[in-house]
Amino acid sequence: GAVVSQHPSWVICKSGTSVKIECRSLDFQATTMFWYRQFPKQSLMLMATSNEGSKATYEQGVEKDKFLINHASLTLSTLTVTSAHPEDSSFYICSAGAWENEKLFFGSGTQLSVL
Amino acid sequence: DAKTTQPPSMDCAEGRAANLPCNHSTISGNEYVYWYRQIHSQGPQYIIHGLKNNETNEMASLIITEDRKSSTLILPHATLRDTAVYYCIADLSGSARQLTFGSGTQLTVLP
Repeated sequence: GAVVSQHPSWVICKSGTSVKIECRSLDFQATTMFWYRQFPKQSLMLMATSNEGSKATYEQGVEKDKFLINHASLTLSTLTVTSAHPEDSSFYICSAGAWENEKLFFGSGTQLSVL
Repeated sequence: DAKTTQPPSMDCAEGRAANLPCNHSTISGNEYVYWYRQIHSQGPQYIIHGLKNNETNEMASLIITEDRKSSTLILPHATLRDTAVYYCIADLSGSARQLTFGSGTQLTVLP
């Protein structure tokens, strides 16, 4: 089946620094990818939709200048958390929208801890 | 997207069948029922999906009622590794659509 690779699995950074998370579709092309955020003991919340070759679409309440999304190729989307603060600490998950037999596949997630 | 309702938690004995219910009374005719699960600190894993007919694969079976207002995910022989949060989602199919996750059911398989 289709595989979505997400890197890194976890990252610890100092407050004020920026962190980049990569999401790759390994064996298929994804014109659309989705970025989710999940706080402890809560469900996944959609942050933004990443579109190859165009600007991302952000959900209400998500700061586009803080969470920069780039989808420069059909197999790679990146999420950059700029000037990270402790409240940005969360589990970030990507998914790829090129459906195989109507299924959506997810990356393994990135645990971000901002000190 | 149709809203789904699931019990917050369930327990199941190892080796027994786990039956996870889901209500989706407002589901529309062209919306599928998807099941995903999330093991702690991992991304969601696809389990199964269906539109009208019951479905079975190597992981589970999906039973959808005739009126499509509810469904049941069946793990025939639960193991400790099946302990996870199980999400039932009613949504259209298509590459341009994201999935909206509810609160899910925490299934705990007991030894």
